Amino acid sequence: KQEVTQIPAALSVPEGENLVLNCSFTDSAIYNLQWFRQDPGKGLTSLLLIQSSQREQTSGRLNASLDKSSGRSTLYIAASQPGDSATYLCAVRRGNQGGKLIFGQGTELSVKP
Amino acid sequence: DTGVSQDPRHKITKRGQNVTFRCDPISEHNRLYWYRQTLGQGPEFLTYFQNEAQLEKSRLLSDRFSAERPKGSFSTLEIQRTEQGDSAMYLCASSKPGSLLEPQHFGDGTRLSIL
Repeated sequence: KQEVTQIPAALSVPEGENLVLNCSFTDSAIYNLQWFRQDPGKGLTSLLLIQSSQREQTSGRLNASLDKSSGRSTLYIAASQPGDSATYLCAVRRGNQGGKLIFGQGTELSVKP
Repeated sequence: DTGVSQDPRHKITKRGQNVTFRCDPISEHNRLYWYRQTLGQGPEFLTYFQNEAQLEKSRLLSDRFSAERPKGSFSTLEIQRTEQGDSAMYLCASSKPGSLLEPQHFGDGTRLSIL
């Protein structure tokens, strides 16, 4: 059974810091891995999606890496801003024939001005 | 794309009542998913449709829950005889098979509170 874990559960940093959020999964047989952002009381906004054969994806100040063999992904945020404060969730998908995402419990990020 | 739309945004009801939520996926997205999220946790999969066919159901979906997608467009999720433990955010997502890596796009959810 696939399990996804995110560490830390909460993180508080001063504005301008670079930071790394961690995601680990127990079954390396994944199709892709997706990072989401969730603001309080809102739905999920997709940030980055990495196919299982890829090593990393970049979008602006965000960089996501994937090491499928070790069951790990990281989300790197450069030069953090107060507007980055949110909960960040990672999710893995098993197959390419549709199907569910398995989510971690999220990391709640607070960036202080 | 107008995005995934969910209605209502909030629902407050008394224990024992029935509730129904609606999800309108992005146009041309023929896969539709329902998830449930409780406070401080990540979303948990409930069920998914390809067109009108319900292809997978989680064990979380007890016999009080039923989901439909009658014409392969919008979907409804009904909870009968609601219980305190049903209080959660119910999220809908859709995806388009054949699109690059087929990302799932989420709506803003329906927050259910059981009194």
